[in-house]
Amino acid sequence: EVQLVETGGGLVQPGKSLKLTCATSGFTFSNAWMHWVRQSPEKQLEWVAQIKAKSNNYATYYAESVKGRFTISRDDSKSSVYLQMNSLKEEDTAIYYCTWYNIGTRTDYWGQGVMVTVSS
Amino acid sequence: DVVMTQTPVSLSVAIGQPASISCKSSQSLVGTSGKTYLNWLLQRPGQSPKRLIYLVSKLDSGIPDRFSGSGSETDFTLKISRVEADDLGVYYCLQGTHFPHTFGAGTKLELK
Repeated sequence: EVQLVETGGGLVQPGKSLKLTCATSGFTFSNAWMHWVRQSPEKQLEWVAQIKAKSNNYATYYAESVKGRFTISRDDSKSSVYLQMNSLKEEDTAIYYCTWYNIGTRTDYWGQGVMVTVSS
Repeated sequence: DVVMTQTPVSLSVAIGQPASISCKSSQSLVGTSGKTYLNWLLQRPGQSPKRLIYLVSKLDSGIPDRFSGSGSETDFTLKISRVEADDLGVYYCLQGTHFPHTFGAGTKLELK
């Protein structure tokens, strides 16, 4: 059974940092292209970042809204993907989902999500 | 970024009746491969989103054939032939042809 479990969320002040972890199991993680997607309090979904596999040189992509502040990374030995979030803003407040989806095949798995609240 | 516009914002449907949701993109979703990367997802109350349909009309695993997707280029539709109680929640379209991937604002399906 495929599982994705996010941890690391919480309340943080603007300008501070937070690191999210997504621990996975049940599939060949090293081959998977992983994403982070967030959902605002208004329920709008926003794709945040993607990291490809080693065979794709671990290429990364970011939404403009987080580029330069967030970093996605992975540790294939731990079947985990991470989201380092720096210089957090109040508009980064959201539920953050770790997802493994392939836009063109029958692959679509989401974690339960982790809440990040940025507030003073 | 590609803007995905969903209508209606909310939909009230009786059990057993059909439902239809529209999603329009600000530019063509036909990729260089010739494939159209348009997905539909459902987020039930208190749950994570779950995809129903990919590549416009292909059903994901375990999705009943009451659900169907159609459309091309910039105009897409999700149809439920007979709504069941388990179908309530918020439906989102998602395009994966262009980076960044973008979602519609959602359509809330309520039971009448």
